[in-house]
Amino acid sequence: GAVVSQHPSWVICKSGTSVKIECRSLDFQATTMFWYRQFPKQSLMLMATSNEGSKATYEQGVEKDKFLINHASLTLSTLTVTSAHPEDSSFYICSASPGANQPQHFGDGTRLSIL
Amino acid sequence: GENVEQHPSTLSVQEGDSAVIKCTYSDSASNYFPWYKQELGKGPQLIIDIRSNVGEKKDQRIAVTLNKTAKHFSLHITETQPEDSAVYFCAASRSNFGNEKLTFGTGTRLTIIP
Repeated sequence: GAVVSQHPSWVICKSGTSVKIECRSLDFQATTMFWYRQFPKQSLMLMATSNEGSKATYEQGVEKDKFLINHASLTLSTLTVTSAHPEDSSFYICSASPGANQPQHFGDGTRLSIL
Repeated sequence: GENVEQHPSTLSVQEGDSAVIKCTYSDSASNYFPWYKQELGKGPQLIIDIRSNVGEKKDQRIAVTLNKTAKHFSLHITETQPEDSAVYFCAASRSNFGNEKLTFGTGTRLTIIP
């Protein structure tokens, strides 16, 4: 149980386009989901906390207008990278917790490559 | 905010030997300390965790120790196998169960030599 799924797993697009990444909790409901970014050979850095039915909470230094987060249901959060540029190329990973007394489970990530 | 340091950054161990990875944290309010294994192109997978009211926890070949006074915790893998090769991350959280913000260490690339 506690499976988190991301889609797509890999996306390549041209500079200036917008890309949407989906994060789904397949067998549980999650009022909170987390979005992380991981550059090659580096650690995971929390970008934002996605809250169902309300605005996301962004970490310091993360542009909320560039990384749009929508958590419209208890099983789906989306991250849209707007006007993507090569420096946005990274591995984006989401996570979610089945409940207040349970740890986070991570998706398998989305590799984003901007040409 | 919380700062988690992790050492070593790379570790090579002969198959069958033990591997130890160490982390230190700065926020005395942190209560939950998980360890994740990340394979190439995949998301992190929780392998073991420990809470601040416990000093040691073991699950088969994997064990974690916590010294809250010194603010450090360690991962111990015994009888290492080739499939243990991966990148390992420690993390810390103020919540008791890690369902809130996690701060990750810098990672350790573990290579098991057959």
